[in-house]
Amino acid sequence: DSGVTQTPKHLITATGQRVTLRCSPRSGDLSVYWYQQSLDQGLQFLIQYYNGEERAKGNILERFSAQQFPDLHSELNLSSLELGDSALYFCASSPRGHLLSTGELFFGEGSRLTVL
Amino acid sequence: EDQVTQSPEALRLQEGESSSLNCSYTVSGLRGLFWYRQDPGKGPEFLFTLYSAGEEKEKERLKATLTKKESFLHITAPKPEDSATYLCAVPILRGGGTSYGKLTFGQGTILTVHP
Repeated sequence: DSGVTQTPKHLITATGQRVTLRCSPRSGDLSVYWYQQSLDQGLQFLIQYYNGEERAKGNILERFSAQQFPDLHSELNLSSLELGDSALYFCASSPRGHLLSTGELFFGEGSRLTVL
Repeated sequence: EDQVTQSPEALRLQEGESSSLNCSYTVSGLRGLFWYRQDPGKGPEFLFTLYSAGEEKEKERLKATLTKKESFLHITAPKPEDSATYLCAVPILRGGGTSYGKLTFGQGTILTVHP
């Protein structure tokens, strides 16, 4: 158990809909990372927040947005869903925001999104 | 463009049959290389960090090594419980002197160890 909690574990929805994925980092971790994992693209970095502020951005679609709240939990919002958005979405946390001093990211078990 | 490539895509071994996985990278100014293990349906789990060429790290039957262009994950006398996908990753910094950026993962090697 990494200490990172993600909900829901599974989600099935239709194209055009909007969903919210939630992540609670390990106690004391200030940094949250979101990753998308699909069979053809592998593990793709979406976005990082550190203590409530956005610190790094990957190839995150404009239809996707995220935020980190004062209690450090984070939400990833996916809207106007398309079939290609079906994937596993992982949240990871680390104590610090500096990538070089972390190396070790603690990943949750993921939220599996299926868009029909 | 910064890239991380892992080979082979899949590797099937008999229990006790040692082998190596490869992770090659084209990153200017490497600032570390990380290995993770991922079991089916689970999130990746951190294994090692390597920072400089020549560095080695060991954990049970696994040993990771780093050169200037690639890293190897050596598996000695593997057991069925070592079956998993092994991922390597490198940090790609944002630039401008910042230490923030993204951890870029390779596609992974799916290791299957048969009893």
